[in-house]
Amino acid sequence: EADIYQTPRYLVIGTGKKITLECSQTMGHDKMYWYQQDPGMELHLIHYSYGVNSTEKGDLSSESTVSRIRTEHFPLTLESARPSHTSQYLCASSEYTGYGYTFGSGTRLTVV
Amino acid sequence: EDQVTQSPEALRLQEGESSSLNCSYTVSGLRGLFWYRQDPGKGPEFLFTLYSAGEEKEKERLKATLTKKESFLHITAPKPEDSATYLCAVPDSWGKLQFGAGTQVVVTP
Repeated sequence: EADIYQTPRYLVIGTGKKITLECSQTMGHDKMYWYQQDPGMELHLIHYSYGVNSTEKGDLSSESTVSRIRTEHFPLTLESARPSHTSQYLCASSEYTGYGYTFGSGTRLTVV
Repeated sequence: EDQVTQSPEALRLQEGESSSLNCSYTVSGLRGLFWYRQDPGKGPEFLFTLYSAGEEKEKERLKATLTKKESFLHITAPKPEDSATYLCAVPDSWGKLQFGAGTQVVVTP
């Protein structure tokens, strides 16, 4: 049973819309991460957080933003969706830095 | 710069045909190496963690080994359900996992 949940699982949305992808975990992990992955391609880290009120940009530049107001919740927001944002977005968490990650099932976003 | 390279990019096997995947890494001070399995459209699923050269871990038909410069994931007598992309990752100096590009394995009956 998954301990990290992402919603929605699939999303098709029009250009210019504001969207928020939800990620919640029940493990009490301080470290949380957002990855972007195109089909058949590598995982790219776009945001991470080491605790409440701590957020950092990842290795891949992204127009999205994140917030971490509660330990268990790490939502990702796109203020104005574009077709170039079409991708799979994966959320992960870990207990300590350097430990393995637990991943959610992902949100497949399509912007038309 | 920390780097993780996986080979081959893709591997097509007949059911029962054993093979190995390679993960080579360059990091300053290895703090663990992680193997994941990813099915299409899903998040990666944790398989193994290896911490020191010579260490081995096994799970069903999979066995992971670690040397000072690389790790191997051996698939023994694979079945079609072993078809997936296999990812390896190492922590960088900040503790964030650096993932390789993965090896896509297809096992045909």
